[in-house]
Amino acid sequence: NAGVTQTPKFQVLKTGQSMTLQCAQDMNHNSMYWYRQDPGMGLRLIYYSASEGTTDKGEVPNGYNVSRLNKREFSLRLESAAPSQTSVYFCASSPLRGHAEKLFFGSGTQLSVL
Amino acid sequence: DAKTTQPTSMDCAEGRAANLPCNHSTISGNEYVYWYRQIHSQGPQYIIHGLKNNETNEMASLIITEDRKSSTLILPHATLRDTAVYYCIVRGSTLGRLYFGRGTQLTVWP
Repeated sequence: NAGVTQTPKFQVLKTGQSMTLQCAQDMNHNSMYWYRQDPGMGLRLIYYSASEGTTDKGEVPNGYNVSRLNKREFSLRLESAAPSQTSVYFCASSPLRGHAEKLFFGSGTQLSVL
Repeated sequence: DAKTTQPTSMDCAEGRAANLPCNHSTISGNEYVYWYRQIHSQGPQYIIHGLKNNETNEMASLIITEDRKSSTLILPHATLRDTAVYYCIVRGSTLGRLYFGRGTQLTVWP
């Protein structure tokens, strides 16, 4: 099993460009998440999807959109990239709803916006 | 979800036990304590979680005080590969999300 797979691993964009970060999990998990991590800071939740067909905002949703394409895939889109969106992005999934969730993380996408 | 307070950094000699504290004085009765760690440049990794009883698995032990206002993660025999940022998170039944703070940077030295 691959677990949680993120693509691409690295990306450089110019201000105003758009792109989609892809995430897929092969563990049949219900819930999926997108986090960003900036230098010296912890992870901040951007969006999450508790189950297929639902999405909700996290702490820092502005400038992003998400799509839960199916149970396996959860994509994050930047419509018009800004330098403030330079960050490392992590996708995660978890099997349970409610108590005692364990998150499984991907290896991250390092995004630079010039 | 209750907030947590952790020291910014700690260090530990290789082979010794590493004891990482976490304060969560506003924890409520249905909130679990989770520990994750993040090795440089990698995604966070789940370590352990508990509600009120002490827990142990192959990676670590979790000691939760009787009043549940604090907890300690114990790595019994720290190795250089345990050098990482350790996050203590308290979460209740709110569907969906874990909030990560800044964590504790643990450095294990030879």
